[in-house]
Amino acid sequence: DQQVKQNSPSLSVQEGRISILNCDYTNSMFDYFLWYKKYPAEGPTFLISISSIKDKNEDGRFTVFLNKSAKHLSLHIVPSQPGDSAVYFCAAKSTGANNLFFGTGTRLTVIP
Amino acid sequence: GAGVSQSPSNKVTEKGKDVELRCDPISGHTALYWYRQSLGQGLEFLIYFQGNSAPDKSGLPSDRFSAERTGGSVSTLTIQRTQQEDSAVYLCASSALFSGANVLTFGAGSRLTVL
Repeated sequence: DQQVKQNSPSLSVQEGRISILNCDYTNSMFDYFLWYKKYPAEGPTFLISISSIKDKNEDGRFTVFLNKSAKHLSLHIVPSQPGDSAVYFCAAKSTGANNLFFGTGTRLTVIP
Repeated sequence: GAGVSQSPSNKVTEKGKDVELRCDPISGHTALYWYRQSLGQGLEFLIYFQGNSAPDKSGLPSDRFSAERTGGSVSTLTIQRTQQEDSAVYLCASSALFSGANVLTFGAGSRLTVL
């Protein structure tokens, strides 16, 4: 049972435009959400996170939005750059839990 | 080293053989995780170690899988009598507490292919 879902396996965006990656979750106990970025032959690297007490967190070109009522979060990248091309994983956890639950990832391609 | 180190980076084995995968976490990180990513799937939690506490083995898919962490540092994931469905990238991660939640730092993974 996939508790974290990324329904778009891939996304292509022109350089300079906005990239929006979406993530849905089913477990209402999740209260912390993270985005990881993965390049080929490397492990995922932490990008940005958000606590359930917030609905937005911004770090430079990256902003994560959380809609708790819809159990939905999204990652906005603006402006998108070719170096942003990677697989992006959404992850979630609940307080006291040991593990992160990951989505299946979205492959972002930023076209120069 | 500065990051999480995993070895081997690639392992090809025959069905039925045992394999060992090694993880060196970041020095000082008390938590260590094993995940795996099968083709087209997300990261699947396998096992979690925290300090000297009993590990959380709830994600291990069968009793052919086991892991240990010696001295609170290096960890070894062992898969006995490998099957073709065990083919995946096995990722190790370690973490230190950050803002009340754990941010995991991953290694590059060990790609296991079972023929």
